[in-house]
Amino acid sequence: DTAVSQTPKYLVTQMGNDKSIKCEQNLGHDTMYWYKQDSKKFLKIMFSYNNKELIINETVPNRFSPKSPDKAHLNLHINSLELGDSAVYFCASSQVGGEAFFGQGTRLTVV
Amino acid sequence: GESVGLHLPTLSVQEGDNSIINCAYSNSASDYFIWYKQESGKGPQFIIDIRSNMDKRQGQRVTVLLNKTVKHLSLQIAATQPGDSAVYFCVSNNDMRFGAGTRLTVKP
Repeated sequence: DTAVSQTPKYLVTQMGNDKSIKCEQNLGHDTMYWYKQDSKKFLKIMFSYNNKELIINETVPNRFSPKSPDKAHLNLHINSLELGDSAVYFCASSQVGGEAFFGQGTRLTVV
Repeated sequence: GESVGLHLPTLSVQEGDNSIINCAYSNSASDYFIWYKQESGKGPQFIIDIRSNMDKRQGQRVTVLLNKTVKHLSLQIAATQPGDSAVYFCVSNNDMRFGAGTRLTVKP
């Protein structure tokens, strides 16, 4: 059973499109995160939700909007995609203050 | 910005040698620190953690040292193997900010 699963694994899309990445965790964790990792492996936190409520909202363009329909899901919607959005996006979950469990990543390529 | 940061972006060691990856932090209120390992094509995975009331914690081939006086952590890997090649991150549980890791390369 995959603990944190995100889909799709690869996403290639044109500039200006809108896309979503889905994430689900079956660990019963209260907290979920989205991270962006660039080509130099810098892993930047974007958002954190605790029990469906936004806790961390880093300085990211407001074209990025997270949505948490329930505490097991945290989806990431991106509007008007730009070349600079190309990266690997990771979803993760944890108990409050505990270690994070990561999904396998979504490699987004904007062309 | 990140409250913890790794000292070196890359580290290269010979197979069989010991590796030491260093990390500094600024937030004295951190409850505990976690080391993660990220292999190519995968998400980061937990290796070991250490509570702020401890100085040392040992796992299998890994040891983490915490020096609260100088706000410094280190991850020591004994008898480094090719499978240890990865990017390593140290993280405070307070903010879960990963930042830049240290890429460890093990030469055969």
